[in-house]
Amino acid sequence: NAGVTQTPKFRVLKTGQSMTLLCAQDMNHEYMYWYRQDPGMGLRLIHYSVGEGTTAKGEVPDGYNVSRLKKQNFLLGLESAAPSQTSVYFCASSSHQGDYNEQFFGPGTRLTVL
Amino acid sequence: DAKTTQPTSMDCAEGRAANLPCNHSTISGNEYVYWYRQIHSQGPQYIIHGLKNNETNEMASLIITEDRKSSTLILPHATLRDTAVYYCIVRRPVAGTALIFGKGTTLSVSS
Repeated sequence: NAGVTQTPKFRVLKTGQSMTLLCAQDMNHEYMYWYRQDPGMGLRLIHYSVGEGTTAKGEVPDGYNVSRLKKQNFLLGLESAAPSQTSVYFCASSSHQGDYNEQFFGPGTRLTVL
Repeated sequence: DAKTTQPTSMDCAEGRAANLPCNHSTISGNEYVYWYRQIHSQGPQYIIHGLKNNETNEMASLIITEDRKSSTLILPHATLRDTAVYYCIVRRPVAGTALIFGKGTTLSVSS
């Protein structure tokens, strides 16, 4: 199993540009999450999904959109990037069975907005 | 979710046990204690969790006090690769909700 993978690993954008971050998991997990991590801080939840076709806002959703068209994929979109969105983005997934809080994280996407 | 308090940083010599404390005095009866770690530039990694009994797995041991107001994560033989930020998280096992990461403890293992 590859676990949780993220594409791309690095990206540099100019203010106002758009992009989509892709998260994929091969563990058949129902739940998927997008977090961001700024320097010296803990992770903060952007959006999450409890199943295919469903999404919900987290702690810091402004400026982002998400889609979960397939169970294994969770996309994070930035329609008009801003320098404040410079961060490391982590995707995670978890099962709906057993221990709900064991989340599996991807390696991260480092985004710089100039 | 209960608030947790961890020291900002700790040092440990390679090969020695690393004992990382966490205070969670407001923990409620159905809340679990979870430990994750984040090695520099990588995604967080689950380590261990427990409710009230001590737990051990291949990575670490978790000791929870009888009153459940504090816990200690033990890495029995720390290596350089254990240098990371360690997060103690207390919450109910509610499906589909986020983990709340505080600032954690930065553990530095040196030779």
